Amino acid sequence: QVQLQESGPGLVKPSGTLSLTCTVSGGSISSSNWWSWVRQPPGKGLEWIGEFYPPGSSNYNPSLKSRVTLSVDKFNNQISLKLSSVTAADTAVYYCARRNFYFDLWGQGTLVTVSS
Amino acid sequence: DIVMTQSPDSLAVSLGERATINCKSSQSVLASSNNQNYLAWYQLKPGQPPKLLIYWASTRESGVPERFSGGGSGTDFTLTISSLQAEDVAVYYCQQYYKTPYNFGQGTKLEI
Repeated sequence: QVQLQESGPGLVKPSGTLSLTCTVSGGSISSSNWWSWVRQPPGKGLEWIGEFYPPGSSNYNPSLKSRVTLSVDKFNNQISLKLSSVTAADTAVYYCARRNFYFDLWGQGTLVTVSS
Repeated sequence: DIVMTQSPDSLAVSLGERATINCKSSQSVLASSNNQNYLAWYQLKPGQPPKLLIYWASTRESGVPERFSGGGSGTDFTLTISSLQAEDVAVYYCQQYYKTPYNFGQGTKLEI
């Protein structure tokens, strides 16, 4: 079955850029789904970051839009997230998720800490 | 933006008893085009990803125990666990997927 796995550095310096990749296995990233990123800061709730539709469309949370870049690598079946100018407030578990209207499939998540 | 507000923030229920969590959206998430409520519920346990429980406000995801049920329409929704089991201890979130940004409620922590 389709599985998602996030990967990337677990530690990012303040003012730097957070870069994560979500690898989709067991299915094609080009299927008719949107692929989202969601995060959960320690002790806080879930926050939707944005989503990408492989043919080329994207949507972003206005609260993060100026710092977020989403892209897709169809050859490697991967979705990427870049979040620039990070601060300690961006410390969180980052999840990738498939959206078929609702989020029906999630990766295990990866903790990213912003610290010098 | 559609703001999602859950109540209560935390809830303690005895084993075997009913647990009810409320979720209110700042605007209707009922689509007139298909008469569906764009509302989902997720369960989040420490160290695990969110688990989809309910979608379209009342449709149970495959494999989710029947004791979980969702209801409501428009702006007011509920998640009910009919007979609480120990493994149901978790934080529960409602989420609207009617329009971006797809906001979640603040979460309800369910304890025994």
